[in-house]
Amino acid sequence: DAKTTQPTSMDCAEGRAANLPCNHSTISGNEYVYWYRQIHSQGPQYIIHGLKNNETNEMASLIITEDRKSSTLILPHATLRDTAVYYCITAGNMLTFGGGTRLMVKP
Amino acid sequence: GAVVSQHPSWVICKSGTSVKIECRSLDFQATTMFWYRQFPKQSLMLMATSNEGSKATYEQGVEKDKFLINHASLTLSTLTVTSAHPEDSSFYICSARKTAWNTEAFFGQGTRLTVV
Repeated sequence: DAKTTQPTSMDCAEGRAANLPCNHSTISGNEYVYWYRQIHSQGPQYIIHGLKNNETNEMASLIITEDRKSSTLILPHATLRDTAVYYCITAGNMLTFGGGTRLMVKP
Repeated sequence: GAVVSQHPSWVICKSGTSVKIECRSLDFQATTMFWYRQFPKQSLMLMATSNEGSKATYEQGVEKDKFLINHASLTLSTLTVTSAHPEDSSFYICSARKTAWNTEAFFGQGTRLTVV
């Protein structure tokens, strides 16, 4: 499974869009990009995933570059409850977690 | 999303005893289940992958005789920490997916194990 690189931490103002980047330059052609988040002392929560097309659901949007070497998770209107560690994973068979981005949403 | 239930949420046990953690997929059949452990302020570390009816595949450095994994049905996997020691104290998390490849996995709420 491909390795991902994410910024260690980010801040975002409440009500604004949070854009979380992820680099996955070694992704294979058949590996999906998954995003999860983990709030303190809980299991990770699935957010969204995609292969090459942009995806949107009730939680977020996922923008994948045409060469698939990077992606961005967009939380359109961040709230305080979105404060969490966000993990970007590229996976076929296994789900291996990297360090993630600690997003702090501030009032 | 699908629901994965993990039990117990927390457990305290004495050194040398064994502890069993259950992971159930409540509304779907899980072909594949994963077990992770997480130390404070660290990311999740994959311990093993199990497919229903077959032996688990352990990651390098994870002792299979110490961390016994059973995936006897499509809705239940168990992790048994045998002869637990204080260094086994950690947050253990399971996840389940419907197929082995390229579908989203859903996670349990985690089990905090404290060995005293």
